[in-house]
Amino acid sequence: EPEVTQTPSHQVTQMGQEVILRCVPISNHLYFYWYRQILGQKVEFLVSFYNNEISEKSEIFDDQFSVERPDGSNFTLKIRSTKLEDSAMYFCASSEAKAGAEQYFGPGTRLTVT
Amino acid sequence: GNSVTQMEGPVTLSEEAFLTINCTYTATGYPSLFWYVQYPGEGLQLLLKATKADDKGSNKGFEATYRKETTSFHLEKGSVQVSDSAVYFCALSLYNFNKFYFGSGTKLNVKP
Repeated sequence: EPEVTQTPSHQVTQMGQEVILRCVPISNHLYFYWYRQILGQKVEFLVSFYNNEISEKSEIFDDQFSVERPDGSNFTLKIRSTKLEDSAMYFCASSEAKAGAEQYFGPGTRLTVT
Repeated sequence: GNSVTQMEGPVTLSEEAFLTINCTYTATGYPSLFWYVQYPGEGLQLLLKATKADDKGSNKGFEATYRKETTSFHLEKGSVQVSDSAVYFCALSLYNFNKFYFGSGTKLNVKP
């Protein structure tokens, strides 16, 4: 069964450093998403991406964040200058269609900022 | 606004007990409703969904009915197993938006 994959599974970085989290969505999906889950808290929407542009973003997704689909398979989330509060589990998701469709989630990347 | 409220956990049950995890929602439109499950060390997996009022989603012995009149989507299972131990998330998605609103998650511990 097709699945969303994410790398790395765990990333440790120092405050102020740039990190890139990578995702390979399911191949025939058109919509891509990033969510994050701070330990013990809700899963929060960050951004959605369709047709090579951001279609929606949350208040969390400020200028420190960017997303890119550099080729036909990868979808990346970049944090330019990490802060301690960016420590969280980051989930990538993809879906075939927009309207009320289920999203398929990857296993997540645990980001630890020290 | 749009939000999902789930019962606080953890919920601890003995094997073969009946499970209910409450979920209520508020939505500005007409949502689709989902239950996702997160097993230890893994990502979120879709458990079941319902897209309109009175629909019942079901999978692996779990069920949830979309109740528009009570804005609820409670998850039930008649007889839980140790392997059902996980965190369960209720979520909604609106037709015109392509993001999910998640509840805070309910951890279920099933003891043999």
